[in-house]
Amino acid sequence: GENVEQHPSTLSVQEGDSAVIKCTYSDSASNYFPWYKQELGKGPQLIIDIRSNVGEKKDQRIAVTLNKTAKHFSLHITETQPEDSAVYFCAASRATGFQKLVFGTGTRLLVSP
Amino acid sequence: DTEVTQTPKHLVMGMTNKKSLKCEQHMGHRAMYWYKQKAKKPPELMFVYSYEKLSINESVPSRFSPECPNSSLLNLHLHALQPEDSALYLCASSLYGQGNSRENTEAFFGQGTRLTVV
Repeated sequence: GENVEQHPSTLSVQEGDSAVIKCTYSDSASNYFPWYKQELGKGPQLIIDIRSNVGEKKDQRIAVTLNKTAKHFSLHITETQPEDSAVYFCAASRATGFQKLVFGTGTRLLVSP
Repeated sequence: DTEVTQTPKHLVMGMTNKKSLKCEQHMGHRAMYWYKQKAKKPPELMFVYSYEKLSINESVPSRFSPECPNSSLLNLHLHALQPEDSALYLCASSLYGQGNSRENTEAFFGQGTRLTVV
């Protein structure tokens, strides 16, 4: 089955810096890669996703890149703000029918003012 | 309405109790999910319902019993739980069910039920 590894487990940055979180996956049949943000006491919320036919996707301060050959994908957050502080999870699944998401282990991002 | 609503938000139950968790969505989604999340860990899939039928059971102990009464509701019945079952239980939904060849869309998560077994 699919296995997703995520690094780093914790990341501390100063406000305004960039943050990068990296994930690798094992199942070459996976072709949908969402990123979720989970704040304390809340459920995960999708912040951006990418499909395997796209190499990069950007939404304002957030971007995701995908390298299918190497089986890794990354989340990039620019101009970080204190409200970006949360746990971020990458995930992988096959992009048809219902989703069977396999999550990475999570990255706790702390943005200091 | 892009919400998945879970009730209750918090639940404390004894090991001999029977309780139920409830999940509701009105987005017309045909797939619904239960995930379990332990502290400082990622969500782990427990069950998937597709078109109100159980499609995936990830070898979950029988003390957890899911039910999908209709396309908008998902329940998780709990009986004879153990303290190690204490966790955040998350419900999610997504648009397409099994066998649909269209690319699936975002899975929306509820806020979860924080379960403590004493």
